[in-house]
Amino acid sequence: GENVEQHPSTLSVQEGDSAVIKCTYSDSASNYFPWYKQELGKGPQLIIDIRSNVGEKKDQRIAVTLNKTAKHFSLHITETQPEDSAVYFCAAYDQTGANNLFFGTGTRLTVIP
Amino acid sequence: DTGVSQDPRHKITKRGQNVTFRCDPISEHNRLYWYRQTLGQGPEFLTYFQNEAQLEKSRLLSDRFSAERPKGSFSTLEIQRTEQGDSAMYLCASNRDVQSSGNTIYFGEGSWLTVV
Repeated sequence: GENVEQHPSTLSVQEGDSAVIKCTYSDSASNYFPWYKQELGKGPQLIIDIRSNVGEKKDQRIAVTLNKTAKHFSLHITETQPEDSAVYFCAAYDQTGANNLFFGTGTRLTVIP
Repeated sequence: DTGVSQDPRHKITKRGQNVTFRCDPISEHNRLYWYRQTLGQGPEFLTYFQNEAQLEKSRLLSDRFSAERPKGSFSTLEIQRTEQGDSAMYLCASNRDVQSSGNTIYFGEGSWLTVV
């Protein structure tokens, strides 16, 4: 089955700096890669996603890159703000095979004001 | 579009009791998923439905767990004879099937279970 690894497990940045979270996946059949933000006591909230036919996607301060050959994808948050503090999860999904998301272990991001 | 709705949000139960959680997916989403999440971990897949058919179950779903989606709309997840190890957040998610243009999976706020 799919195995998703995520690094780092914790990340602290100064407000205004950038944050980068990296994930690798094992199943080359995976073709959809969402990122979720989870605040304490709440469910995961989708913040951005990318499909395997695209190498990069940007939405305001958030961007995601995908390298299919190396089987890794990254989340980039620029101009971080204190409200960006949360746990971020990457995930991989194979829409033609196992019909569920495989999650990474999460990154706790702390933005220091 | 009111999002994925879960009820109850919190449940404390004594070991050995049965509990049931309900999930109302986003309307017109024909796929519905159940995940379990423990502290410090990512969500783990339990099972999913395509309309009313339960198409896949994880090995995590022991015989004490049962899920239904009788009319292809809301779903229930029942845990019988709860154990302390069942304490976790149970997440429901939904999306359209892959034949449609979008397959983004949206999660509810989760149902916290504490078994004492």
